[in-house]
Order: sequence, then C-alpha cells, then structure tokens
Amino acid sequence: QEKVQQSPESLIVPEGAMSSLNCTFSNSASQSIWWYQQHPGKGPEALISIFSNGNKKEGRLTVYLNRASLHVSLHIRDSQPSDSAVYLCAGNNAGAKLTFGGGTRLTVRP
Amino acid sequence: EAAVTQSPRNKVAVTGGKVTLSCNQTNNHNNMYWYRQDTGHGLRLIHYSYGAGSTEKGDIPDGYKASRPSQENFSLILELATPSQTSVYFCASGDAGNTGQLYFGEGSKLTVL
Repeated sequence: QEKVQQSPESLIVPEGAMSSLNCTFSNSASQSIWWYQQHPGKGPEALISIFSNGNKKEGRLTVYLNRASLHVSLHIRDSQPSDSAVYLCAGNNAGAKLTFGGGTRLTVRP
Repeated sequence: EAAVTQSPRNKVAVTGGKVTLSCNQTNNHNNMYWYRQDTGHGLRLIHYSYGAGSTEKGDIPDGYKASRPSQENFSLILELATPSQTSVYFCASGDAGNTGQLYFGEGSKLTVL
C-alpha cells in the first residue's frame, strides 16, 4: 500500500512570499502525482499534476518531482491570502486508486 | 463543470443504527469513490467502483458497505454505526482513464453518539 508523507504540517507565510510544501512517497511506481487544494468546509480540488521527473510550471505554481528520492514539492510564488487552505499531495499507482497524504495547512498573512 | 452532490450534508446517528450516505454525479464518470477525512490521517479510501454494479474495497473497508446501482449513484452504508465512524465523508468521481484527477463533493459530516 502506497504511503504518502507531507511536511510541514502547518506553514505560515506573509503575503507576497514563496510557499514551499513537501511530499514523500513510499513507492516509486506512482504513475502520477497530484496536488489538491481544500478550503474549509469544502471538498478538495485538483490543482496541478506531474508525471515525469523534473518540474512543471502553471501560473504561480511550480511542482518538482524526483523519482529517485521519492520526493515532490509544490511552490507557490507571490502567495496571497486566498491561497490559505489545506494542500493535499496524492499518488496514483494502482489503477483507479489515489492515495493521499495528511496535508499541509497553509496560512498567508496579509 | 463537474458536479458531485452528497446527501445528507450533516447527520447525527446513534450507536448501532444504520446510516446511508448518498452520492450523485452528473459527470458521466465511470469511477466513483468514498473517502473519510480525519485530523492527522488525511483522506483514506473506503470503497470505490468502476461502474454500475461494481464495488471494490479500499484501504479501510471494515464496517462499511457500498452500493453502485447506476452510473450516477454511489452509496456508503454503515449497517451498525460506531462512534469511531464519526468523521467527514467525501464522495468523488473520475474518468475511467483516470490519471488521478478526481472531482469531490462537499462532504457529509457524520456524528455517531
């Protein structure tokens, strides 16, 4: 069974700063890695995904994947108060099953 | 836009009672999922389905049953609810050629007294 560990559990940054979130997997066979954003009282929403080693950039988001070290990171440039949410990392390595980490709670202070 | 609707949104049940959580999706997705979310555990997969008539055990299926009577509907059934099943439950749907993008409902908060 895939295990996903996220760090830190909680992160507080000032508005305009870079937010950096980390995720480690137990199984290098994860086909795709996803980041989801979850606001209070809402369901998670898919943000960005990566399949291949390297990085992927979409707007203010950049994700880095290193399969050799089983590590993926998400960086949010110019963080805004509206980015405050829980961020969930997830791996897909068993067909339709998606395994989630425990989440990082991001707070962006105005 | 993808739409997954859960009911009820809030439920209080008694220990030993039967609880049914319902989920409807209008995305025409083959795959549907039930997760529970607890502090410190993230989202954990209970049951999932590849289509009407199919149900598969997830990572924590004990104490839960699932039913997929149609493409659109997927239910989670607690035959004998226990306080340890107090949680927020999320339903999700995804394409059969799923690469990991799931569409979630807004959650059902269940309290078992």
